[in-house]
Amino acid sequence: GDSVTQMEGPVTLSEEAFLTINCTYTATGYPSLFWYVQYPGEGLQLLLKATKADDKGSNKGFEATYRKETTSFHLEKGSVQVSDSAVYFCALRDNAGNNRKLIWGLGTSLAVNP
Amino acid sequence: DAGITQSPRHKVTETGTPVTLRCHQTENHRYMYWYRQDPGHGLRLIHYSYGVKDTDKGEVSDGYSVSRSKTEDFLLTLESATSSQTSVYFCAISFGTSGGETQYFGPGTRLLVL
Repeated sequence: GDSVTQMEGPVTLSEEAFLTINCTYTATGYPSLFWYVQYPGEGLQLLLKATKADDKGSNKGFEATYRKETTSFHLEKGSVQVSDSAVYFCALRDNAGNNRKLIWGLGTSLAVNP
Repeated sequence: DAGITQSPRHKVTETGTPVTLRCHQTENHRYMYWYRQDPGHGLRLIHYSYGVKDTDKGEVSDGYSVSRSKTEDFLLTLESATSSQTSVYFCAISFGTSGGETQYFGPGTRLLVL
């Protein structure tokens, strides 16, 4: 079945460092891919998404490119801030049929130190 | 802001008691979901709904039931709470065009079963 694998955390960086959080997936169809962010004590917020191969999602300085050849959707940011400290979740939805469910990675915790 | 509220936001209850959590949306979206979030397990789908009185089970539905008598409300009931149901519960809705459909989350309910 479909699955999402994220790099394990926690990830600890200094402010202004470069961030990469790896996400790879397996899917039988042509999935849409998502990154969500969860700040401490809050619900999940959509960070960015991509709906087809080679699409790049971007938001708040974060980017991720849908790579079908490597089945990956890695999250990157060029210069992290303390306010980026959160848990990041990668997810996919297989668009075959009438599926409305998301498949989730386990989340990667990011701590950014000043 | 997708107009999703959850109530209560925090609850402490005793083993064996019934508990009902409420999710309310203001925008009449068709699809609604209940998840639980636990350390090491990420997000797990409990039940979802694709319309009034139309619901289906997710991956961890045992011990939970749901009802949706109005478009705007999706209720999750723990018939007889157990300590293993201590968790953070999130409600979500989804909407958007095919392929780009996205889930949006409520703020969560923290449930402690003693």
